[in-house]
Amino acid sequence: DAKTTQPTSMDCAEGRAANLPCNHSTISGNEYVYWYRQIHSQGPQYIIHGLKNNETNEMASLIITEDRKSSTLILPHATLRDTAVYYCIVRPPPGNEKLTFGTGTRLTIIP
Amino acid sequence: GAVVSQHPSWVICKSGTSVKIECRSLDFQATTMFWYRQFPKQSLMLMATSNEGSKATYEQGVEKDKFLINHASLTLSTLTVTSAHPEDSSFYICSASGQGYDQPQHFGDGTRLSIL
Repeated sequence: DAKTTQPTSMDCAEGRAANLPCNHSTISGNEYVYWYRQIHSQGPQYIIHGLKNNETNEMASLIITEDRKSSTLILPHATLRDTAVYYCIVRPPPGNEKLTFGTGTRLTIIP
Repeated sequence: GAVVSQHPSWVICKSGTSVKIECRSLDFQATTMFWYRQFPKQSLMLMATSNEGSKATYEQGVEKDKFLINHASLTLSTLTVTSAHPEDSSFYICSASGQGYDQPQHFGDGTRLSIL
């Protein structure tokens, strides 16, 4: 399974854009990049996923580099409720649906 | 969006008892469900993969006789912690995967198990 590398922690001012990087240099051509977040004492919440193209939904944007070796999750206007641990995960090909969680990035939104 | 319901959210019981945790997919059929365990300040660790109508697949180091998994329907999987001991105290989380590779897994809100 492709591994991911994320910074341990980040701070972001409330109202500003939060940009969370992720390296996945060993990703295969048919593997998706998924982002989840976990707020304290809750289950992980799905945010967004992508394969090659940049993606946007109501929660965030996902920018994937052309070589697919890294990606950035963007929360356009961070609020205090966005404080959480953010996990970048490379999803294995069909037939092996297991998600492997790394240590993630602890994002703290500063008032 | 897809919702996964987990019950109970919190349970405290005496050492030696068995505890059953339910995981339901509320608005979609889940051919596969996953069970994770999370210790304080650590990441989620996959325990087992549950497939509807067949035996669960356990990760290395997870005792299948200790953690019984039943996935009897496309919307329900259960995890039973048998003869629980204090070291089994943890946060247990399930996820469900619908049909289609590009569909995300959705997670329940977890069950905090405390064994006295």
